[in-house]
Amino acid sequence: GNSVTQMEGPVTLSEEAFLTINCTYTATGYPSLFWYVQYPGEGLQLLLKATKADDKGSNKGFEATYRKETTSFHLEKGSVQVSDSAVYFCALSRGAGGTSYGKLTFGQGTILTVHP
Amino acid sequence: EAQVTQNPRYLITVTGKKLTVTCSQNMNHEYMSWYRQDPGLGLRQIYYSMNVEVTDKGDVPEGYKVSRKEKRNFPLILESPSPNQTSLYFCASSFGLAGLTGELFFGEGSRLTVL
Repeated sequence: GNSVTQMEGPVTLSEEAFLTINCTYTATGYPSLFWYVQYPGEGLQLLLKATKADDKGSNKGFEATYRKETTSFHLEKGSVQVSDSAVYFCALSRGAGGTSYGKLTFGQGTILTVHP
Repeated sequence: EAQVTQNPRYLITVTGKKLTVTCSQNMNHEYMSWYRQDPGLGLRQIYYSMNVEVTDKGDVPEGYKVSRKEKRNFPLILESPSPNQTSLYFCASSFGLAGLTGELFFGEGSRLTVL
């Protein structure tokens, strides 16, 4: 079945540091890939997405590239801010066909804390 | 304002006492879903609905029921709660199938404790 594995957390960084959160996936066919962010006390919200191999999703300074050869979708940001402190979830969807039609599969989440 | 509203946000209850967590969205979305979030396990889908009167099981449906009588509402029912249902619950909705658009809109969550 489909699965998403994220790097172990929590991740603690100083402001303006470079961020990488690793995400790898297992899926048949050609899934779409997503990063969601959950700020303290809130629900998840979509951060960025990529729907085919070599696509780069970007938003709010965050980027992730869909790498089919390594089945990865790592999240990066060049200079984090205190306001980026949140939980980050990698997710995939299979799209049409099969029992997983229309379903999003989430990773376990990575807690990011950014200190001033 | 477009939103998904869950109630209650916090609830402490006892084993066996039936409870309902309500979910309402004002975006005319067809697809709605319930998730539970547990430490180290991420989000796991409980039930989902692709439209009115159409519901199906997710990955962890045991001990839960849902209904979709109106497009905007998707309540989660725990007929006889047990301590292993202590969790943070999220309702979410989207246009069409979330797996195709990828954009699920989430409520703020309902933290349930079963003693």
